[in-house]
Amino acid sequence: DTEVTQTPKHLVMGMTNKKSLKCEQHMGHRAMYWYKQKAKKPPELMFVYSYEKLSINESVPSRFSPECPNSSLLNLHLHALQPEDSALYLCASRPGGANTGELFFGEGSRLTVL
Amino acid sequence: RKEVEQDPGPFNVPEGATVAFNCTYSNSASQSFFWYRQDCRKEPKLLMSVYSSGNEDGRFTAQLNRASQYISLLIRDSKLSDSATYLCVVNQVNAGNNRKLIWGLGTSLAVNP
Repeated sequence: DTEVTQTPKHLVMGMTNKKSLKCEQHMGHRAMYWYKQKAKKPPELMFVYSYEKLSINESVPSRFSPECPNSSLLNLHLHALQPEDSALYLCASRPGGANTGELFFGEGSRLTVL
Repeated sequence: RKEVEQDPGPFNVPEGATVAFNCTYSNSASQSFFWYRQDCRKEPKLLMSVYSSGNEDGRFTAQLNRASQYISLLIRDSKLSDSATYLCVVNQVNAGNNRKLIWGLGTSLAVNP
């Protein structure tokens, strides 16, 4: 079982809705990530937080807004999304000192935008 | 040329077979390498980090060839439960000394009874 917990597992929203995805880990990891994955494609990096500060934004549209309230929590706020934003949104964390590629993923939130 | 390339497969093999996947990378400054496994509609899970000297974990062996810029994954005595997509991941360093994980498209493996 994964130690990175994501909620909700499934989300259906309209283009005018505002919703949030949540991610939680209690492993003491200080780097947390949001990835987006479409079917039959690899994960695509969106944001990286390091020690609760946003360190990487991969030119993600502003309709996606990340937030890191504390070292255990990571949110992704969604507003005015498009149908093409439908995807699996994966949260990941990495232990401090671990190799950059050694990520622990949550099970993901499967988002459908109508 | 893609930064990280994998044969998408699918590789269909019988139980007990040995199967090998290769992954090539284009940036010679790449520093570290990983294999992830992803089951259908599940999250990716780290299978192995790949070290310069090669490393083995049970039935799985990973090798790195820096001169030819490829990594490989060998699975011996395949089990039905090995059926998954295997993703090659490369930690690349760019001109600004920034590190970025580059993911391959994955190789699909189906182990048949």
